[in-house]
Amino acid sequence: GNSVTQMEGPVTLSEEAFLTINCTYTATGYPSLFWYVQYPGEGLQLLLKATKADDKGSNKGFEATYRKETTSFHLEKGSVQVSDSAVYFCALSQNTNAGKSTFGDGTTLTVKP
Amino acid sequence: DARVTQTPRHKVTEMGQEVTMRCQPILGHNTVFWYRQTMMQGLELLAYFRNRAPLDDSGMPKDRFSAEMPDATLATLKIQPSEPRDSAVYFCASGFRDTRPDTQYFGPGTRLTVL
Repeated sequence: GNSVTQMEGPVTLSEEAFLTINCTYTATGYPSLFWYVQYPGEGLQLLLKATKADDKGSNKGFEATYRKETTSFHLEKGSVQVSDSAVYFCALSQNTNAGKSTFGDGTTLTVKP
Repeated sequence: DARVTQTPRHKVTEMGQEVTMRCQPILGHNTVFWYRQTMMQGLELLAYFRNRAPLDDSGMPKDRFSAEMPDATLATLKIQPSEPRDSAVYFCASGFRDTRPDTQYFGPGTRLTVL
């Protein structure tokens, strides 16, 4: 079956530091890949997505590239802010299961001033 | 700005009581998901619907949980009887699925505490 493995947290960075959160997946075929972010007390919201190999998703300074050869979708940001403190979830979804997604366990990021 | 709404936002109840959580998906979306989030288990898929038909509820304890979509604007998740181990945040999400998987839009959640 499908699975998503995320870098374990928590991750603590100073403001303006470089961020990488690793995500690798196992799936047959060509899934769509997503990063969702959850701020305290809220539901998950889409951060970015990529639907085919070599696509790069980007939003709010975050980027992730769909790497078929390494089955990865690592999240990066060049300079984090305190407001980026949240839980980040990597997820995949395939054509064959009616939109059902497989989520990683989430990585908690804390950015200190 | 279309959003998924959930009611109630918080619910405290005693063991054995019935709990009903409601979700209004985004208008036009044809897929609805129910998730449960806890510190120990993370995010778990309980059930999902497409065009109001249940496609999979294998993640749900069948003896006490039930999920329905009486119409396209309302999804419900019921627990009867509730138990302390059901304490969690329950999220509803909706999406539009045609030929490719698409984004899920999450509601703010219902925080359930069963005493």
